[in-house]
Amino acid sequence: QVQLQESGPRLVKPSETLSLTCTVSGGSISSNYWSWIRQPPGKGLEWIGYLYYTGNAYYSPSLKSRVTISVDSSKNQFSLNLSSVTAADTAVYYCAMVRAMTNSFDHWGQGTPVTVSS
Amino acid sequence: HSALTQPASVSGSPGQSITISCTGTSSDVGVYNYVSWYQHHPGKAPKLMIYDDSKRPSGISDRFSGSKSGNTASLTISGLQAEDEADYFCSSYTTSSTLYVFGTGTKVTVL
Repeated sequence: QVQLQESGPRLVKPSETLSLTCTVSGGSISSNYWSWIRQPPGKGLEWIGYLYYTGNAYYSPSLKSRVTISVDSSKNQFSLNLSSVTAADTAVYYCAMVRAMTNSFDHWGQGTPVTVSS
Repeated sequence: HSALTQPASVSGSPGQSITISCTGTSSDVGVYNYVSWYQHHPGKAPKLMIYDDSKRPSGISDRFSGSKSGNTASLTISGLQAEDEADYFCSSYTTSSTLYVFGTGTKVTVL
């Protein structure tokens, strides 16, 4: 059973870069698409982007200028970097695996809350 | 791209059936067979319950079923059980460059 776990700082200062890592266990990252999704307090879920294990990534246009998603196959991990953060980036961040041949999210991490504040 | 619309809450007694709606547009729910449904117990990882509008992943109870008509998808839970009490949200692939849109979420309460 594939399991995902997010890790990273829970507090980030405004204008700095938010960096999170998702560790995949129970399966290889060298297949499927891997995604980041977030949920600001009191708001709905927002898709951030995804990448294929080869490193090809696609981002939501609203975040594209600030987002990088990368993969480290040797560690079975993929990462999210979000630059120039503001309070609007405060959210619970989830990593998820895209189910092959569908457009659904098969496995999710528990989510990690990140607060942007000085 | 706007969020998909779900009722804020739905409740039912044990053994009853409930249905949660997920309303989108002809640019998302209505255009592809890519609506999925998730169960989320707070503090835990969301769980895929339905994909491709009406398919169940292995291990998901057949008490959960999905359907769609036009721009509205639905999740039905039959034989409601206490363990079904959770938040549920839908998702759809879209024609926009955002690719994925999510529902506003529904809290299911078992009375």
